[in-house]
Amino acid sequence: GALVYQYPRRTICKSGTSMRMECQAVGFQATSVAWYRQSPQKTFELIALSTVNSAIKYEQNFTQEKFPISHPNLSFSSMTVLNAYLEDRGLYLCGARGPGTNQDTQYFGPGTRLLVL
Amino acid sequence: QQQVRQSPQSLTVWEGETAILNCSYEDSTFNYFPWYQQFPGEGPALLISIRSVSDKKEDGRFTIFFNKREKKLSLHITDSQPGDSATYFCAAHNTNTGKLTFGDGTVLTVKP
Repeated sequence: GALVYQYPRRTICKSGTSMRMECQAVGFQATSVAWYRQSPQKTFELIALSTVNSAIKYEQNFTQEKFPISHPNLSFSSMTVLNAYLEDRGLYLCGARGPGTNQDTQYFGPGTRLLVL
Repeated sequence: QQQVRQSPQSLTVWEGETAILNCSYEDSTFNYFPWYQQFPGEGPALLISIRSVSDKKEDGRFTIFFNKREKKLSLHITDSQPGDSATYFCAAHNTNTGKLTFGDGTVLTVKP
């Protein structure tokens, strides 16, 4: 089956510092990886969509300078939250899809919960 | 304008009853609709999905009814169990952009 792992599951960082989170797809080729932030109210914000052989597309209000993403191969992606502040708190979710699965379906990891002090 | 809307925000049913969760969308280019189930502290897990060429999809106790003309769909959970208590998200996928748009979720509570 299609599995997505994320680590760390939870992290605490000081205001103004940076934090890197990772996403690994197992059992399928993650040709597309989407990063979301889920607020405490549980709404999903799409941060960016990374597709192999295409430029990473950031949504409005999110920039590469703040949330640099790497998608070096078909099983791994990482995202860093630079200069994290209180408003960056939330559950960061990685959704991956690609060959070996229902290609229209995004499979999600458990998320990385970011707390900022 | 919110692209995917869900109602109700929260729903409580008794064990054994049928829970009905509603979803509507704006963009007619959406062509694939997955429903995700999320428990506290976990990521969303795919529950069941339907393509816009179908009007019904059934998987065990879970059934999606889809009305393309009205841009509405609903998730029916029959014989609800306390273990079904979770937040359910309706999502809509646009194959052209590759983007998945989520609704705000329905919190389902099943009382024993």
